[in-house]
Amino acid sequence: SQTIHQWPATLVQPVGSPLSLECTVEGTSNPNLYWYRQAAGRGLQLLFYSVGIGQISSEVPQNLSASRPQDRQFILSSKKLLLSDSGFYLCAWSAPGHTMNTEAFFGQGTRLTVV
Amino acid sequence: LAKTTQPISMDSYEGQEVNITCSHNNIATNDYITWYQQFPSQGPRFIIQGYKTKVTNEVASLFIPADRKSSTLSLPRVSLSDTAVYYCLVVSGGYNKLIFGAGTRLAVHP
Repeated sequence: SQTIHQWPATLVQPVGSPLSLECTVEGTSNPNLYWYRQAAGRGLQLLFYSVGIGQISSEVPQNLSASRPQDRQFILSSKKLLLSDSGFYLCAWSAPGHTMNTEAFFGQGTRLTVV
Repeated sequence: LAKTTQPISMDSYEGQEVNITCSHNNIATNDYITWYQQFPSQGPRFIIQGYKTKVTNEVASLFIPADRKSSTLSLPRVSLSDTAVYYCLVVSGGYNKLIFGAGTRLAVHP
């Protein structure tokens, strides 16, 4: 069966510090991978979307970057965090596009507080 | 990508049927309609997906009229545990780029 791992669960970082959030998927090949951010009481904002290794689409201009060094590994990074980067970060995967299956599976999320 | 519009919030009582309608006027021919449920501090969970007419699973039913410009998620006999945010998404078949809107915040009361 497929599983998704996302860590850490919570993180408190000072302004200006770097960030690295990692997400890995098991039990599937060539998944679509996503990073979302959710501010308190708001909907999910798609940050990055990847259909394969090294193929990253950035959805909004921001202080963050993403990389996909391996097929089932997706990393969210920042060189210098801003207060506005605080939020609930979610990684997700879905089957490759040709399957016509729109079901996505989400990790447990990382609650990031920038202080 | 088709934009979706759904009510910001809804209230219901235990045991009632809840219908949440979503409008997607510019849905394309190869787009699918998908609904997700999200509890606080958790990632969304897939509920149901449809293309046209009616789809039913063990959790909900999805009604899609012939013009596909709207869809209705039906939750039968809701309980307190159905209190959550419900998202309607329109997803291009074969592309799977998932854009979430603000969702509908459903509160189920005793």
